[in-house]
Amino acid sequence: QKEVEQDPGPLSVPEGAIVSLNCTYSNSAFQYFMWYRQYSRKGPELLMYTYSSGNKEDGRFTAQVDKSSKYISLFIRDSQPSDSATYLCAMSHSGNTGKLIFGQGTTLQVKP
Amino acid sequence: GAVVSQHPSWVICKSGTSVKIECRSLDFQATTMFWYRQFPKQSLMLMATSNEGSKATYEQGVEKDKFLINHASLTLSTLTVTSAHPEDSSFYICSAPRRDGTGELFFGEGSRLTVL
Repeated sequence: QKEVEQDPGPLSVPEGAIVSLNCTYSNSAFQYFMWYRQYSRKGPELLMYTYSSGNKEDGRFTAQVDKSSKYISLFIRDSQPSDSATYLCAMSHSGNTGKLIFGQGTTLQVKP
Repeated sequence: GAVVSQHPSWVICKSGTSVKIECRSLDFQATTMFWYRQFPKQSLMLMATSNEGSKATYEQGVEKDKFLINHASLTLSTLTVTSAHPEDSSFYICSAPRRDGTGELFFGEGSRLTVL
């Protein structure tokens, strides 16, 4: 079993839709949770960063962490064609290490 | 703008040759940098941790003699793929952490290596 599971998709939605992306994990020691966006042939770009459980909102993006269920989500409101990319969840045990465990990534396509 | 720069962005080489990839932190010092590898349609996997002034730390299953890492200064880390083979073809991405200890990483643009 992988430490982090993420449905690779692809996920196709019409412009303006609400998108829900999810990851599950098995290691209860994870404390830091991140969502990265990766365009084709580019490095990942940090979108959201949360510590422990709870919600965090930034513009059209909302990240949720439920540690009791070992489940994290990223919601994108009013999705735009420019949101089309691969979204990677990532987690780490400690804030002092760069060792992130990534999900496989979900490919999202927002159609105009 | 980018805070971590990688070069080259793509490289094609013949089997058996060596390829060097550079990773630079821009406008900040990074005593530690991280090298990840990403195969097509797969996630990023940490290969090694590059430490300024000391030896790199490699993840299990990564050959240290094949993937040479040198952290020559506080802003530069290099990854050299020695005697490259087609199975080494991949997307190599470096990253450097924020200094506040949150675990947040800045990633480079990545270097796509194709070994013929």
